Amino acid sequence: GESVGLHLPTLSVQEGDNSIINCAYSNSASDYFIWYKQESGKGPQFIIDIRSNMDKRQGQRVTVLLNKTVKHLSLQIAATQPGDSAVYFCAESYPSGGSYIPTFGRGTSLIVHP
Amino acid sequence: KAGVTQTPRYLIKTRGQQVTLSCSPISGHRSVSWYQQTPGQGLQFLFEYFSETQRNKGNFPGRFSGRQFSNSRSEMNVSTLELGDSALYLCASSIGHADSPLHFGNGTRLTVT
Repeated sequence: GESVGLHLPTLSVQEGDNSIINCAYSNSASDYFIWYKQESGKGPQFIIDIRSNMDKRQGQRVTVLLNKTVKHLSLQIAATQPGDSAVYFCAESYPSGGSYIPTFGRGTSLIVHP
Repeated sequence: KAGVTQTPRYLIKTRGQQVTLSCSPISGHRSVSWYQQTPGQGLQFLFEYFSETQRNKGNFPGRFSGRQFSNSRSEMNVSTLELGDSALYLCASSIGHADSPLHFGNGTRLTVT
């Protein structure tokens, strides 16, 4: 989602619920997408990635869905735990100079209530 | 395996001064990239180095520069500091291949007064 100034979109869930965090990307040339989790006082931590030739990828308790038609990415977290509370960023990447340059979304704050 | 290490953790500087930030990547990682994170602009790409060469550059003024050493360690320099340079500066390392995930350090918090 979009954020304005200091205010990030916030998703509040109960422990044990499933969480879905959405992200819209803008560049049709992007072909590699990543989700990161950032806890307070720490740098972003890689969660899961997906290439544009896939529409779904699963990890441990997380699933990423990619819809290239509408340029939309989502992160599903199963059985959300208090330790999942953090800011989640999606990043779209396009190839440049032999590597991928990520453009990060503004982030969504996930709050998990015990 | 040790993670990405950034020093110093916190820094306070005055307008007009310059600053150098340091990043030690994960052992074996040859790519180091730098990002600026602010509440207003989010995470923005500064530049990426691979094998001591700048491979990509974001849209930041020339006051922001960097370099990478033969051991893959990297430094970032900001000259003539402005108040708007106050931010969390993050370094990330990767193997350096296309679509290899980034591993971030915990950042250097720079405050310009």
